[in-house]
Amino acid sequence: DTAVSQTPKYLVTQMGNDKSIKCEQNLGHDTMYWYKQDSKKFLKIMFSYNNKELIINETVPNRFSPKSPDKAHLNLHINSLELGDSAVYFCASSQVSSGNTIYFGEGSWLTVV
Amino acid sequence: EDKVVQSPLSLVVHEGDTVTLNCSYEVTNFRSLLWYKQEKKAPTFLFMLTSSGIEKKSGRLSSILDKKELFSILNITATQTGDSAIYLCAVVSGGSNYKLTFGKGTLLTVNP
Repeated sequence: DTAVSQTPKYLVTQMGNDKSIKCEQNLGHDTMYWYKQDSKKFLKIMFSYNNKELIINETVPNRFSPKSPDKAHLNLHINSLELGDSAVYFCASSQVSSGNTIYFGEGSWLTVV
Repeated sequence: EDKVVQSPLSLVVHEGDTVTLNCSYEVTNFRSLLWYKQEKKAPTFLFMLTSSGIEKKSGRLSSILDKKELFSILNITATQTGDSAIYLCAVVSGGSNYKLTFGKGTLLTVNP
């Protein structure tokens, strides 16, 4: 059973398109995250939701919009994709009351052409 | 269960002092150790350490990893009030579905 699952795992799309990446966790955690991994840094946090409420919103373009329909899901929608959006996007979750160990999904490899 | 322990939990110093923050860990399948600085929002990345004995340096901050003794230190020299923050240590471990375990952080307060 995958604890944190993301779909799709690979996505190749053209500039200007709109795409979504879905994330689900079955760990019963109260906090979910989206991180972006590019070629220079390890992981950079984009958003964090706690009990469906946005608590961290780093400086990312408005084209990125997270949606959390419930505690177990945090989806990432990206409008008007640009070449620079090509990266690996990791979803993660944690339970703050249990030491906040963050569990990551396997990543979604996005390539914008 | 993977553990990351930081010490001290809090520290108050005067501008110009040098501080050393500690991070020890016990994890399965260690991959790397990360240091973050957290002020008001999300942690900002400082260093990633994967090899023992190689110092990473950025301005007044430096860090080193000891994979034999399972610890890392973060040094800050000539501290400034802007260094006041929580410093988080995190260890990446595991296989393909790796995880990041954070310590509880060290709250550093630098007084003028």
